[in-house]
Amino acid sequence: QVTLKESGPALVKPSQTLTLTCTLSGFSLNTTQMRVSWIRQPPGKALEWLARIDWDDDKFYSPSLTTRLTISKDTFKNQVVLTMTNMDPVDTGTYYCVRTMGFKYSSWFDAWGQGTLVTVSS
Amino acid sequence: EVVLTQSPATLSLSPGERATLSCRASQSVSGFLAWYQHKPGQAPRLLIYDAANRATGIPARFSGRGSGTDYTLTISGLETEDFAVYYCQQRGHWPPTFGPGTKVDFK
Repeated sequence: QVTLKESGPALVKPSQTLTLTCTLSGFSLNTTQMRVSWIRQPPGKALEWLARIDWDDDKFYSPSLTTRLTISKDTFKNQVVLTMTNMDPVDTGTYYCVRTMGFKYSSWFDAWGQGTLVTVSS
Repeated sequence: EVVLTQSPATLSLSPGERATLSCRASQSVSGFLAWYQHKPGQAPRLLIYDAANRATGIPARFSGRGSGTDYTLTISGLETEDFAVYYCQQRGHWPPTFGPGTKVDFK
């Protein structure tokens, strides 16, 4: 059974760096063609794709957030980590870790974590 | 980036009725459109990919169609567990983008 579980702080202060961890189960990023993305949803707003990492360590970022994001993987722990710098209250929302299907520049999302709510406030 | 517009924003129906949800793209996405269901407190679930292909385990009452810029998700005979928010997502252009969602609620 494929599962993804997000973990990280529920509250961060403005200007701080957010670090989120996704623990994968039922599949591995060591496997060819496996990919994992982070997607977020501010309260009452649409889903927004943030970043993706592939089995071969290829990395992709949202053009509007590329300067603030870093995605990495730890294949031994079967985890994916997302860091987002210079957090702002507009970054408040639920952050999802998502198994990603598709090709280099073409993705859809076939298994989602439950999400973790991150609030940015002083 | 490609902007997706979904209509209506809210669809109020009764169990057993047919639901028709629309998604329109700002440019052709060449059939590369997916639909997701999202219930409060749960993980979103992939329903349809590439416009018309049901994902694994998705009941046959969910169907998708469309091409170019216009796509439709149909739920033929709403079950109580189908009342949720539905999002479309395109992968025809980079980066992937989502629509704002259609909420299907009880009339």
